[in-house]
Amino acid sequence: EAGVAQSPRYKIIEKRQSVAFWCNPISGHATLYWYQQILGQGPKLLIQFQNNGVVDDSQLPKDRFSAERLKGVDSTLKIQPAKLEDSAVYLCASSSSGVPTDTQYFGPGTRLTVL
Amino acid sequence: AQSVTQLDSQVPVFEEAPVELRCNYSSSVSVYLFWYVQYPNQGLQLLLKYLSGSTLVKGINGFEAEFNKSQTSFHLRKPSVHISDTAEYFCAVSSNTGNQFYFGTGTSLTVIP
Repeated sequence: EAGVAQSPRYKIIEKRQSVAFWCNPISGHATLYWYQQILGQGPKLLIQFQNNGVVDDSQLPKDRFSAERLKGVDSTLKIQPAKLEDSAVYLCASSSSGVPTDTQYFGPGTRLTVL
Repeated sequence: AQSVTQLDSQVPVFEEAPVELRCNYSSSVSVYLFWYVQYPNQGLQLLLKYLSGSTLVKGINGFEAEFNKSQTSFHLRKPSVHISDTAEYFCAVSSNTGNQFYFGTGTSLTVIP
């Protein structure tokens, strides 16, 4: 079974530029998560999708971050404009149904450096 | 809301020695507890989880953890570590009343030959 795919793996941009990350979850998984992992910290949930609807985006900085999962499969996370403090690893995860007992399967992440 | 505290940011241990990585949680409701491992340049991988029932949970790669409700702890243990266990370990908590998943700040385990 193929795992969660993410691209690109690395991205370097200057502040105020825009950037987008892509995630393809495990086939058949209804729930998709985006996390931000700043160096030295644990992952922080940014947004959770159930199929193509948003379940929780309470920690997403909506003035600069946006995410979509239009067809209920793959997803993109965008930052516009980027700030220095956005430098982090962005992790995508998926689970079969999204209930709290579900195992989340993580992709390798995209490491973003904002200069 | 729930929270997780991992008391040790770095744990060095000699190969074949036992190790314990500590995790304490805070919650006013029933919780589910997880340990994830992150190898260099890889995504997080589930080691084990506690949902209910037996408080001793066995996971992959010889790891186990014990849920202690009175001490609000979920410490991870392995009786004999290998070089390949060198990685970052994250404790996480979720509740049965919400969707949020809270991670600790991680413990970096370094196994010394």
